Amino acid sequence: GQQLNQSPQSMFIQEGEDVSMNCTSSSIFNTWLWYKQDPGEGPVLLIALYKAGELTSNGRLTAQFGITRKDSFLNISASIPSDVGIYFCAGRIQGAQKLVFGQGTRLTINP
Amino acid sequence: GAVVSQHPSWVICKSGTSVKIECRSLDFQATTMFWYRQFPKQSLMLMATSNEGSKATYEQGVEKDKFLINHASLTLSTLTVTSAHPEDSSFYICSARAPGGPGTDTQYFGPGTRLTVL
Repeated sequence: GQQLNQSPQSMFIQEGEDVSMNCTSSSIFNTWLWYKQDPGEGPVLLIALYKAGELTSNGRLTAQFGITRKDSFLNISASIPSDVGIYFCAGRIQGAQKLVFGQGTRLTINP
Repeated sequence: GAVVSQHPSWVICKSGTSVKIECRSLDFQATTMFWYRQFPKQSLMLMATSNEGSKATYEQGVEKDKFLINHASLTLSTLTVTSAHPEDSSFYICSARAPGGPGTDTQYFGPGTRLTVL
């Protein structure tokens, strides 16, 4: 079945630094979604992407839908302590109901 | 964004009992809901896809008689863990597909239910 490779698996950064993570797939997706999950909580939707090449921002977060439709990245600028958590990418192929999830990127920020 | 609620947020039960978890879309109608299971430090594992008014579609390896799913209305789906055992202890999360324009629907998650089976 489809798989998403998300990297890096973990990041340890200083407060104020920029963060970049990405997901790649062997399949073509028509939807890319980025979520953040805090401990003991459900994932919260950050950004949704629907068109190849689309670049969308949500505050300090920016995500792009890759031109090949097989990848997406998420950038966080000027990180702050509340950015700590696990970030998941998720994709959906055309006609499918279910999402395929990446393994997650655990972000830790040193104050 | 759209709101999905789950109840209860946590439950502790004895081995052999059944537990029901509710998932509600509060401000939109969801024709499709999903149930996931998540182990510590792992990604979400899809258990089943639930369409309103029809039988759920279970992922390979998920016992449909063990994990009963009912999606009786456009805003409510339930997951019942029957005859629960300690190995069923986990974090269960539901999500609902929110309609958008053509090709722009998305998926929102509930806050999760922590199940502990003693």
